[in-house]
Amino acid sequence: NAGVTQTPKFRILKIGQSMTLQCTQDMNHNYMYWYRQDPGMGLKLIYYSVGAGITDKGEVPNGYNVSRSTTEDFPLRLELAAPSQTSVYFCASSYSSGNTIYFGEGSWLTVV
Amino acid sequence: AQTVTQSQPEMSVQEAETVTLSCTYDTSESDYYLFWYKQPPSRQMILVIRQEAYKQQNATENRFSVNFQKAAKSFSLKISDSQLGDAAMYFCAYRSPSGGSNYKLTFGKGTLLTVNP
Repeated sequence: NAGVTQTPKFRILKIGQSMTLQCTQDMNHNYMYWYRQDPGMGLKLIYYSVGAGITDKGEVPNGYNVSRSTTEDFPLRLELAAPSQTSVYFCASSYSSGNTIYFGEGSWLTVV
Repeated sequence: AQTVTQSQPEMSVQEAETVTLSCTYDTSESDYYLFWYKQPPSRQMILVIRQEAYKQQNATENRFSVNFQKAAKSFSLKISDSQLGDAAMYFCAYRSPSGGSNYKLTFGKGTLLTVNP
């Protein structure tokens, strides 16, 4: 039972570098999300998608981009990494708007 | 906008005892979903329990149960027979069933639960 899979689990980036966090789910969920969690805080929504080809901004989208070319995959792109993007990133999915959201194991990103 | 408040930054409980974690929320909607998630040191987010606002009956999952008071906008989590593995950060979360960015979960800041042997 894979569920939601994120890679990489850990990454250190230098300021100004770019990278992509990969996320895939095998539950045939329509809805996918990217959250970030800063120390001592709850999660905040970066971007979300309600289906292939459809994405929209969440609470904290600046500095990030997403795409959703397939139902399974929802990669998060960081352009020009900044120290403020040091955080734990969670990908998540759900079958519909009313269903439970299931999370991946998180990706720890440090920007130095 | 919805807000979720967890007023207890930290709680502790003796093994085998019962503990209640508090959560209040603010919303103008009549239909919504509430969740408790557990986050152990591994940082994985694990669903503990879910409650639909239209259901009057409180949700239960084994040793975990909630006290859902819709009028008071309160959603507390009770953990019975606490075990060492229950030690974690617990997040209360709200979700609207309507569209747009309301698809997101709104989280409280969390309560760190320590279980003492």
